[in-house]
Amino acid sequence: GDSVTQMEGPVTLSEEAFLTINCTYTATGYPSLFWYVQYPGEGLQLLLKATKADDKGSNKGFEATYRKETTSFHLEKGSVQVSDSAVYFCALSAGYLNNNDMRFGAGTRLTVKP
Amino acid sequence: NAGVTQTPKFQVLKTGQSMTLQCAQDMNHEYMSWYRQDPGMGLRLIHYSVGAGITDQGEVPNGYNVSRSTTEDFPLRLLSAAPSQTSVYFCASSYGEKLFFGSGTQLSVL
Repeated sequence: GDSVTQMEGPVTLSEEAFLTINCTYTATGYPSLFWYVQYPGEGLQLLLKATKADDKGSNKGFEATYRKETTSFHLEKGSVQVSDSAVYFCALSAGYLNNNDMRFGAGTRLTVKP
Repeated sequence: NAGVTQTPKFQVLKTGQSMTLQCAQDMNHEYMSWYRQDPGMGLRLIHYSVGAGITDQGEVPNGYNVSRSTTEDFPLRLLSAAPSQTSVYFCASSYGEKLFFGSGTQLSVL
């Protein structure tokens, strides 16, 4: 079945460092891809998404490009801040209106130190 | 805007007890769902609903019941809690492919 694999954490970076969190997927169709972020004590929030190959999702300085040839959707940010400390989840959805087929990765905890 | 509201935030149960986790949304979304979050496993879908009166099972439905009598509410029931149900539970509603999550319920079953 469809699945998502993301790099294990935790990841610890200094402020202003470059961030990459790897995510690869397995899907039979043409899924939409997402990154969700979970700040301490809160639910997940959509960070960015891409719906087709070569699309780039971006938000709050984060970017991810839908790479069909490598089945990847790596999250990047050029200069992280302490406020970016959170757990990041890669996810895919093979459906449209029904999200019963949303699949999440295990999550990667990011800690940014001043 | 309240969004998705879950109660309680924390709960401790003894094995065999029952309880209901409440979930309400004020965005008039038709689709609602329940997930559990366990370390190293991400979020797994328990049950979902595509509208009032309609529910279906997700990836890990055993031990849980749901009902959807109104568009706003989607409670999750544990009829006889087991230690394996110790987890963090998230309710979500969605518009298209975008999910809106509640802040979660941390449940411990002793």
